[in-house]
Amino acid sequence: EPEVTQTPSHQVTQMGQEVILRCVPISNHLYFYWYRQILGQKVEFLVSFYNNEISEKSEIFDDQFSVERPDGSNFTLKIRSTKLEDSAMYFCAASSGQHTGELFFGEGSRLTVL
Amino acid sequence: GDSVTQMEGPVTLSEEAFLTINCTYTATGYPSLFWYVQYPGEGLQLLLKATKADDKGSNKGFEATYRKETTSFHLEKGSVQVSDSAVYFCALNLQGGSEKLVFGKGMKLTVNP
Repeated sequence: EPEVTQTPSHQVTQMGQEVILRCVPISNHLYFYWYRQILGQKVEFLVSFYNNEISEKSEIFDDQFSVERPDGSNFTLKIRSTKLEDSAMYFCAASSGQHTGELFFGEGSRLTVL
Repeated sequence: GDSVTQMEGPVTLSEEAFLTINCTYTATGYPSLFWYVQYPGEGLQLLLKATKADDKGSNKGFEATYRKETTSFHLEKGSVQVSDSAVYFCALNLQGGSEKLVFGKGMKLTVNP
């Protein structure tokens, strides 16, 4: 069983639409993250989440983005109004310890904005 | 700012060939260094790590040594297998600081039988 499961694996959406990407980490993880990789570019940090609140976010993570973990299992990334430049592979990650750098990643959700 | 630069590839090798993937970093503090690997259809997974200068991380026949003087963390394997075909990412994390990992672009390796 994978440590982190992401859905959907691929989503195609129209510009301006809202998108929700979902992640289910196994229960002993306490720290959660979203990263993204635009095609041909580096994997970039978006946000980290601990104890039901954002602990750190990057400049990329603007007001269009939000995260939540409403039911203690699903960890979601919402993009309110997608732009063409949001097309990327989005990776959810989880860890059991802080500042260890040892993350468990999901397979990724590919988002294509048309 | 903090950054990681690695060989971009793609690289194709024959089985049993020697592999080196170069990685250099720029960091304001004292980072921990990592190699992550992504096999086809899977998420990134930690391959090895080193937390201080001259440390050597090793796993599955892969090795990398933390070289502070050259700010490098090159990944090596003496004899690659077809099953090593994957994308390899070098990354850093500032100890005691930000939680985020700073990644390189990743390098796709294909090993042919």
